[in-house]
Amino acid sequence: DAKTTQPTSMDCAEGRAANLPCNHSTISGNEYVYWYRQIHSQGPQYIIHGLKNNETNEMASLIITEDRKSSTLILPHATLRDTAVYYCISQPLTGRRALTFGSGTRLQVQP
Amino acid sequence: GAVVSQHPSWVICKSGTSVKIECRSLDFQATTMFWYRQFPKQSLMLMATSNEGSKATYEQGVEKDKFLINHASLTLSTLTVTSAHPEDSSFYICSAQQGLYEQYFGPGTRLTVT
Repeated sequence: DAKTTQPTSMDCAEGRAANLPCNHSTISGNEYVYWYRQIHSQGPQYIIHGLKNNETNEMASLIITEDRKSSTLILPHATLRDTAVYYCISQPLTGRRALTFGSGTRLQVQP
Repeated sequence: GAVVSQHPSWVICKSGTSVKIECRSLDFQATTMFWYRQFPKQSLMLMATSNEGSKATYEQGVEKDKFLINHASLTLSTLTVTSAHPEDSSFYICSAQQGLYEQYFGPGTRLTVT
């Protein structure tokens, strides 16, 4: 699987948008970008995924650059409950299905 | 949304005993389940891939005779830690794959071996 790099930590004010970047410069054409988050002492939670188009769901938006070498996860109105470690993962459409977790970004939402 | 449960949520056992952890997909069938392990302040590490009706595939460095995985049905996979030792103390997390893309994770099981 392609490697991803993320900042170790970020802070965000409650009510503001949280923009979490991810670099995946070696991503292959058949690999999706997935975002998961893990709140302390819980299992990871699926957020969103995309291939090349921007995606939006009830939790977040995913912006993927045209060259697909990087992406940004946007939480439009961060709350204290969004404090978690966010993982950006690239995964091929076929073949190995297990997720390879990097170190992720620890997002701290400040009151 | 898809729900995956784990039981127990936490367990304390004595060194040398065995512990079984269950992973269930509650509202969907999962042909593939995965087992991960997470040590404090570290990321999740894949231990094995479990396919219904066949033997599990273990990652390099994971002892298959120590971590027994059974995936007898489309909604249940079990992980048994045999002859547990304190270094096996960790947070064990399963995930179940629905369809081609999304994986849904269980809440995790915290194992403490004394």
